[in-house]
Amino acid sequence: AQKITQTQPGMFVQEKEAVTLDCTYDTSDPSYGLFWYKQPSSGEMIFLIYQGSYDQQNATEGRYSLNFQKARKSANLVISASQLGDSAMYFCAMREPGNQFYFGTGTSLTVIP
Amino acid sequence: KAGVTQTPRYLIKTRGQQVTLSCSPISGHRSVSWYQQTPGQGLQFLFEYFSETQRNKGNFPGRFSGRQFSNSRSEMNVSTLELGDSALYLCASSFGVGGALSNEQFFGPGTRLTVL
Repeated sequence: AQKITQTQPGMFVQEKEAVTLDCTYDTSDPSYGLFWYKQPSSGEMIFLIYQGSYDQQNATEGRYSLNFQKARKSANLVISASQLGDSAMYFCAMREPGNQFYFGTGTSLTVIP
Repeated sequence: KAGVTQTPRYLIKTRGQQVTLSCSPISGHRSVSWYQQTPGQGLQFLFEYFSETQRNKGNFPGRFSGRQFSNSRSEMNVSTLELGDSALYLCASSFGVGGALSNEQFFGPGTRLTVL
């Protein structure tokens, strides 16, 4: 079974609107960490936000927030007030203790002016 | 603090050749992971090293190998190159395998390998 599933290969959003990128994960370990990375066309991977499995509140970092629904095993990324510079690939990832990072196949986001 | 560096940035090889890629992690980071990225496949995990020991290994053939040196620098080697090995190879470093789960990975710019 896939550890991380991102079902949206491509998404479009109007500039200044909010957008939600979906991510579901699969683990039986009660302790895990969830990450979102951004990869612009230049290729570098940029860390955006982290959510721990025991965190009581949803993580937020500036315009990024993580909608963490533990029972549903989902960790959706919400980008508010989209900007043209947000156009990129977005990857969801998970790590269990002692294990490697598992990445999803990514979602390509295009912000339309 | 300098970021993760990877050399070379671009490489063109022919089928059957071998290649060695290098990665220098962020100072103080002891864990280095390697990924292969191809269009539509996302990041495929190759292996992870911590303190010169391979801690985790992905589902790749034995042609793919790696090692880590005492200064945490890492190399990966691909022998008998195939056309399908053409990809962006990303290296990432983090503080440690056994460290806090919140320790994110910091990625290098990648090495783009083209096999002709």
